[in-house]
Amino acid sequence: EVQLVESGGGLVQPGGSLRLSCAASGFTLSDHYMDWVRQAPGKGLEWVGRVRNKANSYTTKYAASVKGRFTISSDHSENFLFLQMSSLRIEDTAVYYCTRVPTTLWYFDLWGRGTLVTVSS
Amino acid sequence: DIQMTQSPSSLSASVGDRVTITCRASQDISNSLAWFQQKPGKAPKPLIYAASSLHRGAQPQFSGSGSGTDFTLTISSLQPEDFATYYCQQYKNYPLTFGGGTKVEIK
Repeated sequence: EVQLVESGGGLVQPGGSLRLSCAASGFTLSDHYMDWVRQAPGKGLEWVGRVRNKANSYTTKYAASVKGRFTISSDHSENFLFLQMSSLRIEDTAVYYCTRVPTTLWYFDLWGRGTLVTVSS
Repeated sequence: DIQMTQSPSSLSASVGDRVTITCRASQDISNSLAWFQQKPGKAPKPLIYAASSLHRGAQPQFSGSGSGTDFTLTISSLQPEDFATYYCQQYKNYPLTFGGGTKVEIK
């Protein structure tokens, strides 16, 4: 079955760090761009960042709000995507979704169920 | 950044109604636009990509149109399962940006 399953969310104090994981199954991670999208409680959707595919050397791109604090990486041997978050702020509290972007179509065609990150003291 | 403005922010409609949601981009995005449906506590589901192409598995009552800066999502005959929040999203330029959402409620 083609799916994405996120894990690693939880409660963290401001200034802390957390690493989210996204297990991909049913397709080859390295063939696609993979993005993270988040949604603060009761709010809309916000793009977080992207890691491009093998053909584009796994280069990354980030939203200004997380650049320098968040890092996207991937383990292609295990088909996992990661989001390393550091210097976390209260406003980073959100459900984080892992998404797939096929390079022929360019939209988020597959979403995980999300994992909740709560930044609070 | 490209701003995406959806209207209305909410609407009330009845089963069987034709519903139209609009999305305006702050600059020309050609047809690099997608629509998503989200129900409470669930992940967004893709409906439309490239402004007017139906996502595989999306229901046929959904259609999209537009190009440039003005886009429309139409639900031809509202079904009970269509009550949800709908988002547009541009993928022409970084940062990728979403509209603020349109909540479709039962009248």
